[in-house]
Amino acid sequence: NAGVTQTPKFRILKIGQSMTLQCTQDMNHNYMYWYRQDPGMGLKLIYYSVGAGITDKGEVPNGYNVSRSTTEDFPLRLELAAPSQTSVYFCASSRRDSTDTQYFGPGTRLTVL
Amino acid sequence: RKEVEQDPGPFNVPEGATVAFNCTYSNSASQSFFWYRQDCRKEPKLLMSVYSSGNEDGRFTAQLNRASQYISLLIRDSKLSDSATYLCVVGRDSNYQLIWGAGTKLIIKP
Repeated sequence: NAGVTQTPKFRILKIGQSMTLQCTQDMNHNYMYWYRQDPGMGLKLIYYSVGAGITDKGEVPNGYNVSRSTTEDFPLRLELAAPSQTSVYFCASSRRDSTDTQYFGPGTRLTVL
Repeated sequence: RKEVEQDPGPFNVPEGATVAFNCTYSNSASQSFFWYRQDCRKEPKLLMSVYSSGNEDGRFTAQLNRASQYISLLIRDSKLSDSATYLCVVGRDSNYQLIWGAGTKLIIKP
């Protein structure tokens, strides 16, 4: 099993550009999450999903959008990129809610210039 | 006050020594507690869950003190491969969200 995969690994955007970060899991997990990790800070939850067709905001959703059309895929959309969105983005999944182990993808390093 | 606080370190420890970290949390309603490990420029991976009665996994022991709202991690007989950042993670009462500490960096020296 591949687990959780993310693409791209690295990306540089210009201010105002848009992009989609891809996330796919092959563990048939219902719960999926998007986090960002800034230097010296804990992971911050951007959006999460408890199943296909169901998404909800986390702590820091502004400037992002998500969709969950299938159990496997949970893409994160950045609209009108800003320097404040420079970060490392991790996608994760779990079988049950946050009391269960979360499995992470390798991350996407995004720089907005 | 941060919801989950950790000493950022680094803790520089000789191989074979015992090292302990603490983590404090502010939400007394939290019900789930974890230690994750994150290697440099890699994704976090679960090290162990933390149970009310305390639990052990090989060289690693985790303790929870609800009265004082802190979690501890003890590593015995440390190995070079234990060098990493250890993330303290606490579940909010909603069960959908975890609050992540910023991590404690551990460096094991030969």
